[in-house]
Amino acid sequence: DGGITQSPKYLFRKEGQNVTLSCEQNLNHDAMYWYRQDPGQGLRLIYYSQIVNDFQKGDIAEGYSVSREKKESFPLTVTSAQKNPTAFYLCASSIPGEAGYGYTFGSGTRLTVV
Amino acid sequence: GQNIDQPTEMTATEGAIVQINCTYQTSGFNGLFWYQQHAGEAPTFLSYNVLDGLEEKGRFSSFLSRSKGYSYLLLKELQMKDSASYLCAVRDSYSNSGYALNFGKGTSLLVTP
Repeated sequence: DGGITQSPKYLFRKEGQNVTLSCEQNLNHDAMYWYRQDPGQGLRLIYYSQIVNDFQKGDIAEGYSVSREKKESFPLTVTSAQKNPTAFYLCASSIPGEAGYGYTFGSGTRLTVV
Repeated sequence: GQNIDQPTEMTATEGAIVQINCTYQTSGFNGLFWYQQHAGEAPTFLSYNVLDGLEEKGRFSSFLSRSKGYSYLLLKELQMKDSASYLCAVRDSYSNSGYALNFGKGTSLLVTP
């Protein structure tokens, strides 16, 4: 079955550490996205990638970095520069521009700073 | 950029009908989506509107008026399992953010017996 997999489901980070969240899809989707969700804030776009080896900053990219070396993979690194990283992180993929085609979401990673 | 507004919370009774409104302002419009999200889970797709009018899908319907920047999600015959957050999302133009979806803050719906 095709889908999008995020790991780990729960992640704990010490202050000052970098952590990487994994996102893998086997849907053959060109576009991939990372969102952050905080209580009462909805989903906010961190980074997106429309094609391999290319990615763009979203609305809240500061303190995050990504790579897109393979079509299937779009890992997100939360760096020590991100001052408030505790949140629920969602990865999504899509066929860009196809009418009626929204996102396929991963199950999310809940990151907590300890 | 976009500004998407929806009520924060709503409460309705099992078996009733509820309407969740969404207003938006956007420089580029490529469709409006509604998602359902249960606590701690990923959002799941409910509906899509790109032309004005009503789209019906079982107990769920969604309406769009592009000239008014307005949509609503209508849930009929409410069930307890419909208690969830409902997210309104507008797809931007490719030039702005590569067709990324911009989400409202979500409406938390509580269905009571």
